[in-house]
Amino acid sequence: DGGITQSPKYLFRKEGQNVTLSCEQNLNHDAMYWYRQDPGQGLRLIYYSQIVNDFQKGDIAEGYSVSREKKESFPLTVTSAQKNPTAFYLCASSPRRQGVTQPQHFGDGTRLSIL
Amino acid sequence: AQRVTQPEKLLSVFKGAPVELKCNYSYSGSPELFWYVQYSRQRLQLLLRHISRESIKGFTADLNKGETSFHLKKPFAQEEDSAMYYCALSPGSSNTGKLIFGQGTTLQVKP
Repeated sequence: DGGITQSPKYLFRKEGQNVTLSCEQNLNHDAMYWYRQDPGQGLRLIYYSQIVNDFQKGDIAEGYSVSREKKESFPLTVTSAQKNPTAFYLCASSPRRQGVTQPQHFGDGTRLSIL
Repeated sequence: AQRVTQPEKLLSVFKGAPVELKCNYSYSGSPELFWYVQYSRQRLQLLLRHISRESIKGFTADLNKGETSFHLKKPFAQEEDSAMYYCALSPGSSNTGKLIFGQGTTLQVKP
């Protein structure tokens, strides 16, 4: 189904290389999020954006960068500064409504591995 | 510090048995609590939220502020309930939409 599309599904990175994970949504949601999922640690927030051209660091932003030039798109770059990038990355989006947290809708994820 | 703890990594029950997935949180304000579920080969999706006070697929969860808990319960487990379950907290005052997730519990319902 549509909604949130993450690509690619699998990605391999060489040492010292930056890679960019794509996240696109057609739900007309204002807010978008990037999480990292490691076994036994749940989901940890990397970056989030509540509106176009604005984003904030989450709990584990070091070694990552994002941009939000369009409402539909929130790409995540894993830089060479991220020393342990092997993980499963999930993108999510949600509408914004004052006073009540809206449920987040998730993509299928991208699995990043180091070569 | 804001934190969500799911003490069980794996919960294994037989079909028809009651299920309780535990969730405890640490937050000084008024949180919003959620349960998300990920079935095999499907996306992570919302199961229920405490403000809705509804039962979804036979599951219920009650927010207990005294015990800072939001346990997920179902009286009779079904095989199709086998999945990974995440408890999540949104700091009610932040209005950022951010969620803090627990470590997740895998529910295995045996026939």
